[in-house]
Amino acid sequence: GENVEQHPSTLSVQEGDSAVIKCTYSDSASNYFPWYKQELGKRPQLIIDIRSNVGEKKDQRIAVTLNKTAKHFSLHITETQPEDSAVYFCAATDNYGQNFVFGPGTRLSVLP
Amino acid sequence: GAGVSQSPSNKVTEKGKDVELRCDPISGHTALYWYRQRLGQGLEFLIYFQGNSAPDKSGLPSDRFSAERTGESVSTLTIQRTQQEDSAVYLCASSLAVGGTYNEQFFGPGTRLTVL
Repeated sequence: GENVEQHPSTLSVQEGDSAVIKCTYSDSASNYFPWYKQELGKRPQLIIDIRSNVGEKKDQRIAVTLNKTAKHFSLHITETQPEDSAVYFCAATDNYGQNFVFGPGTRLSVLP
Repeated sequence: GAGVSQSPSNKVTEKGKDVELRCDPISGHTALYWYRQRLGQGLEFLIYFQGNSAPDKSGLPSDRFSAERTGESVSTLTIQRTQQEDSAVYLCASSLAVGGTYNEQFFGPGTRLTVL
């Protein structure tokens, strides 16, 4: 089955700096890669996703890149703000939504 | 429109008792997922429904755990003879379709289960 690894487990950056979180996956059949943000005590919410026919996707300060050959994808947050502080989860699944596997999460702290 | 709802929001029970957790997905969402999240941990997949069938039960931790879904609507997760290690937040998520484009999962607020 699919296995998703995520690094780093914790990340601290200064406000205004960039943050990068990386994930690898094992199943070549996976072709949908979402990123979820979970603030303390709240539910996970989708922030950006990418499909295997696209190498990069950007939404304002957030971007995701995908390297299907190497089976890794990354989340990039630029100009970080304190409200970006949260736990970020990557995930991988195939087109059928089965085998939906989350990474272990990265706790991002943006220091003012 | 209404999002995914779960009830109860909090449940405190004694060891050995059975509990039933409920999830109401977004109307029209065919796929439904249950996850367990222990304090400070990641999302542990439990079970997935496509309609009312569960093609993937691989994540259920033991035979004390079971889940049902009525059509493409409400799902219940039942934990029998609860143990202290069952204490966690149980999250439900639903997704518009399984095949094709729509895979985004929308999460409910979770049920915080505490087993004393």
